Amino acid sequence: GAGVSQSPSNKVTEKGKDVELRCDPISGHTALYWYRQSLGQGLEFLIYFQGNSAPDKSGLPSDRFSAERTGGSVSTLTIQRTQQEDSAVYLCASSSGGAGDTQYFGPGTRLTVL
Amino acid sequence: QKEVEQDPGPLSVPEGAIVSLNCTYSNSAFQYFMWYRQYSRKGPELLMYTYSSGNKEDGRFTAQVDKSSKYISLFIRDSQPSDSATYLCAMRKGSNYKLTFGKGTLLTVNP
Repeated sequence: GAGVSQSPSNKVTEKGKDVELRCDPISGHTALYWYRQSLGQGLEFLIYFQGNSAPDKSGLPSDRFSAERTGGSVSTLTIQRTQQEDSAVYLCASSSGGAGDTQYFGPGTRLTVL
Repeated sequence: QKEVEQDPGPLSVPEGAIVSLNCTYSNSAFQYFMWYRQYSRKGPELLMYTYSSGNKEDGRFTAQVDKSSKYISLFIRDSQPSDSATYLCAMRKGSNYKLTFGKGTLLTVNP
């Protein structure tokens, strides 16, 4: 079946602009994660959605970052007033639900802030 | 000190070599250990998943966990050019869903 998809694959924006990144999880997966992968920093957890529960936003680096998940499926990560340090690959992952379930990653969105 | 340390490499080996990749961690609460492989411009994919100390083998890949030393390894036997990728270790605590990743090691296997 189809894996996790993300769009756009690449995004170049100017400092100060807002961007929206989209994630389509694997059909039927109730858990959805966003990570950020910066050069030399590895993957950092950003936010976690599980079903109808309140999301775990503990990894969001600032209040410029927000995410929502509509209808328990598609998720959008929004970065407001982008800064150069926001340049990174943003990865989305989904899993079937349990804490120990394998997380399947999408290909990521490469964000460049000029 | 970061919770998970991983030498970023790069590591370059000839085809057929045995590759050893390693991570150390500082938090004894980590109970589950994973190795992900990430090809260039792709998302990470799960290679190995282990819980207890000891070895787990899957084809050419062996994952080793030593909880007493807080040290995990991934061995690749008979390495192939198609194994060229970044290898990320990851771990989590108990029933917690959050994965903590190492920075990844870039491996190149030369034909």
